[in-house]
Amino acid sequence: EAGVVQSPRYKIIEKKQPVAFWCNPISGHNTLYWYLQNLGQGPELLIRYENEEAVDDSQLPKDRFSAERLKGVDSTLKIQPAELGDSAVYLCASSLESGLAGGFADTQYFGPGTRLTVL
Amino acid sequence: DAKTTQPTSMDCAEGRAANLPCNHSTISGNEYVYWYRQIHSQGPQYIIHGLKNNETNEMASLIITEDRKSSTLILPHATLRDTAVYYCIVRATGGGADGLTFGKGTHLIIQP
Repeated sequence: EAGVVQSPRYKIIEKKQPVAFWCNPISGHNTLYWYLQNLGQGPELLIRYENEEAVDDSQLPKDRFSAERLKGVDSTLKIQPAELGDSAVYLCASSLESGLAGGFADTQYFGPGTRLTVL
Repeated sequence: DAKTTQPTSMDCAEGRAANLPCNHSTISGNEYVYWYRQIHSQGPQYIIHGLKNNETNEMASLIITEDRKSSTLILPHATLRDTAVYYCIVRATGGGADGLTFGKGTHLIIQP
């Protein structure tokens, strides 16, 4: 079974330029997550989708970050314009959540991430 | 989600058992203990999870104390490829559960 696919793996841009990251989750997984990981830190959640609906975007800096998950499968995370402080690894993860009260929250599977360097 | 406390780093000799502790004294009754690891330049990888019983799979064993306030991840025969950052996370069950809350984890270094 294919895992979570992300592209590109590496991206170098100049500040104020736009950038986009793409994620293809594991087939059949209804929940998709974008995380940000700064050097030496654990990943931090940016946004969570259940199917095509963003159900938790409280940590997403909405002035410059946007995300979409068309048709509830692939997702794109965009930054416009990028700032020096956005240099980090952007991770995508997916899981199959039961959606039932009291149901078991399934395991999250992560992609390899996109390492962004803003110059 | 409850917070966890882990040592910053640990060393272990290759071939020996690596025992990684985690404190989660404020864990709630409906929260599971999850362990992930992250090898350099890769995304986090799921290892194991448990609620109150000890668990074992092909990668590791998880020992949870009776009061559930702490746990230990055991890698029975550590290899150099087990060098990674290991994260202990507590997470509630149920539909609509939040994303994982990672700390800084334990950097486990396996020595040849």
